[in-house]
Amino acid sequence: DAKTTQPTSMDCAEGRAANLPCNHSTISGNEYVYWYRQIHSQGPQYIIHGLKNNETNEMASLIITEDRKSSTLILPHATLRDTAVYYCIVRASYSGYSTLTFGKGTMLLVSP
Amino acid sequence: SQTIHQWPATLVQPVGSPLSLECTVEGTSNPNLYWYRQAAGRGLQLLFYSVGIGQISSEVPQNLSASRPQDRQFILSSKKLLLSDSGFYLCAWKGDSSGNTIYFGEGSWLTVV
Repeated sequence: DAKTTQPTSMDCAEGRAANLPCNHSTISGNEYVYWYRQIHSQGPQYIIHGLKNNETNEMASLIITEDRKSSTLILPHATLRDTAVYYCIVRASYSGYSTLTFGKGTMLLVSP
Repeated sequence: SQTIHQWPATLVQPVGSPLSLECTVEGTSNPNLYWYRQAAGRGLQLLFYSVGIGQISSEVPQNLSASRPQDRQFILSSKKLLLSDSGFYLCAWKGDSSGNTIYFGEGSWLTVV
């Protein structure tokens, strides 16, 4: 799986948009960008994933650059409960065995 | 809908005692199942994965073992715990019904004393 680079930490004011960047310059053509988050003392929670088109769901939006070398996870209206470590992971999505390789992620602190 | 449960949620065990953590998945069939460990301040480490009943692959050597007695049941065990086995253990699953996305359970905190 391709390696990703994320900032160690970020701050965001409650109610504002949180934009979390991720660099994955060695991504391959068949690799997807996945985002998970982990709130303290809980299991990682799947947020969203995409291949090359921008994606949106009830939790967040994912913007992938045209060259696919970087992406941004957007939480449109951050709340205090969005405080967590956010992981950007690149992996091929296919049937059969595959796993996830978690890096250190970005610690997002949402403040009142 | 699919759900994953693991238990117990927290466990305090003396050194040398046995361990059994159990994980079950509902709402899907023939899932890939995983056990991860997260030590304090560190990332997730894959311990075991299984692509079917009785099929277990180990990623790292250790005094832990895993078993899959039923299609949707995955068990993490140890005969004699070490202090270094302390950590946060996570069960996860992936299958056709998940669109190949991996989903995690709630986690189990193990403290070996």
